[in-house]
Amino acid sequence: AQTVTQSQPEMSVQEAETVTLSCTYDTSESDYYLFWYKQPPSRQMILVIRQEAYKQQNATENRFSVNFQKAAKSFSLKISDSQLGDAAMYFCAYRPGGGADGLTFGKGTHLIIQP
Amino acid sequence: DTGVSQNPRHKITKRGQNVTFRCDPISEHNRLYWYRQTLGQGPEFLTYFQNEAQLEKSRLLSDRFSAERPKGSFSTLEIQRTEQGDSAMYLCASSVTGISEKLFFGSGTQLSVL
Repeated sequence: AQTVTQSQPEMSVQEAETVTLSCTYDTSESDYYLFWYKQPPSRQMILVIRQEAYKQQNATENRFSVNFQKAAKSFSLKISDSQLGDAAMYFCAYRPGGGADGLTFGKGTHLIIQP
Repeated sequence: DTGVSQNPRHKITKRGQNVTFRCDPISEHNRLYWYRQTLGQGPEFLTYFQNEAQLEKSRLLSDRFSAERPKGSFSTLEIQRTEQGDSAMYLCASSVTGISEKLFFGSGTQLSVL
């Protein structure tokens, strides 16, 4: 079974600084997708960034980028120029390729932005 | 695009009662997913539909849980004989075949079983 581990229950960063959230996963699949979702107090899960395992290039979306290390099964999220609106729970998630299987989520990291 | 809508937003019930939640996906989305999220945890997959067909169910979905998606539009999740352990947030998400990895989530229904 696939597992997703987020080892940082909470992280704090000064506004405008950079923060990195960690995620590791375990799978025997070679084709899969990895995601970072943001869950603000409104509770709605919002997709932040997505990475296809077959792509070597790390995904980037504006201030958000990932460091995908396939051999190490590591998928960290870097948030640059942190803003107050970035404060939320961040969940790392995994989905095997080739189907419509449900996502497997980690337990989340609570990100605090200090003004 | 009005997003994924879930009702009710909150539900308080007594142990042993039945409850039903509704999810209205984004109109052109043919896939619909149900997840459960307890405090301090990430969402856990429960089941998913492609159109009206229920294609996968998690072992978390006991026989007290039933989900339907008549006509491939909205979906309902019913819990019979609720237990205190059913207290959680129930999230619905939808997607389009071919871009199925991009899920759009609703704001969830928070269930409290007293």
